[in-house]
Amino acid sequence: GIQVEQSPPDLILQEGANSTLRCNFSDSVNNLQWFHQNPWGQLINLFYIPSGTKQNGRLSATTVATERYSLLYISSSQTTDSGVYFCARNAGKSTFGDGTTLTVKP
Amino acid sequence: DSGVTQTPKHLITATGQRVTLRCSPRSGDLSVYWYQQSLDQGLQFLIQYYNGEERAKGNILERFSAQQFPDLHSELNLSSLELGDSALYFCASSQLAGVEDTQYFGPGTRLTVL
Repeated sequence: GIQVEQSPPDLILQEGANSTLRCNFSDSVNNLQWFHQNPWGQLINLFYIPSGTKQNGRLSATTVATERYSLLYISSSQTTDSGVYFCARNAGKSTFGDGTTLTVKP
Repeated sequence: DSGVTQTPKHLITATGQRVTLRCSPRSGDLSVYWYQQSLDQGLQFLIQYYNGEERAKGNILERFSAQQFPDLHSELNLSSLELGDSALYFCASSQLAGVEDTQYFGPGTRLTVL
């Protein structure tokens, strides 16, 4: 089946630092989303980004469909950014990566 | 708030029992998806319905079943519950049925099987 690999699995940052999360796909990317699962378990939609670049405040995402990967950038991180970040590909059956657990320390 | 509602928020039951989880999609969304999130399995896609019809099936056990009603709300039925069924169950909705569509997640139902 389709493989979705996320890296790094864990990331610890000091508040104010920048980070890059990566998502690799084993097959073509025609529907890709990034989500943030906060410490209370809520899944929040960050980006729908099958290709190109999008920005929303301190967050931005880039998908290079031809290379089968997507990147999520978090700038000037805050403690509220902590949680698990998932990328997901939906091609009939949705496939989620295992997530990157981000901890931002004050 | 995504606009997707799920009830109940928490459910505690015993092995062998049957439970029903309910999901109401965002206004205007025709697709509903169900996911299971357990500690050792991550987020697993279970099933998708579009406008009342089953659209895609994932790793859904035979003890589990779902349906989408004419008013577009959906129910996930879990029967003969086992300890391993304890998990967070999410519902998501999207406008369309196709691949190029954004999913919005509900707050989840936390199921504990004792």
